[in-house]
Amino acid sequence: DAKTTQPTSMDCAEGRAANLPCNHSTISGNEYVYWYRQIHSQGPQYIIHGLKNNETNEMASLIITEDRKSSTLILPHATLRDTAVYYCIVRLHSGGGADGLTFGKGTHLIIQP
Amino acid sequence: GAVVSQHPSRVICKSGTSVKIECRSLDFQATTMFWYRQFPKQSLMLMATSNEGSKATYEQGVEKDKFLINHASLTLSTLTVTSAHPEDSSFYICSAPSSWSTDTQYFGPGTRLTVL
Repeated sequence: DAKTTQPTSMDCAEGRAANLPCNHSTISGNEYVYWYRQIHSQGPQYIIHGLKNNETNEMASLIITEDRKSSTLILPHATLRDTAVYYCIVRLHSGGGADGLTFGKGTHLIIQP
Repeated sequence: GAVVSQHPSRVICKSGTSVKIECRSLDFQATTMFWYRQFPKQSLMLMATSNEGSKATYEQGVEKDKFLINHASLTLSTLTVTSAHPEDSSFYICSAPSSWSTDTQYFGPGTRLTVL
């Protein structure tokens, strides 16, 4: 799996958009970008994933640059409950079901009231 | 989304005893489940892959005789920490890919193990 680089921590005001960057310059053509988050003392939660097109679901949007070397997870209207560690993971698709995940250090997002 | 449960959520035991942790997929079947361990202020580390009807596969450095895994049905995997010691105290989390979307993993809420 390609290596990812994320900022250690970020702050965001409640109600504003939270933009979490991730660098994955060694990503290969058949690797997807996945985002998970872990709220304190809970199991991780899947957020979104994508290959090259931008993706949006009820939780977030994922913007992937054209060269695919970086991406940004956007939480459009952050709430206090979005305070968590956010993990960007690059991996193959659908062989993905047969392999466990490799977690980096992630970004600790703190939503300020 | 798919729901994965774990039991117990928290356990405290004496050194030398064995502890069993259950991981269940509640609304889907999982031929494969994964076990992770997370120490304080660290990230999750994959310990092993649990395979229904066959032996688990362990990551490098994880002792298979200490961390016994049984995947007896399509909805249940168990992790038994044998002869637990204080250094085994950790947050143990399981996950499973859903049967309709193997792209994503669904995680249990975790089990906090404290060995005295």
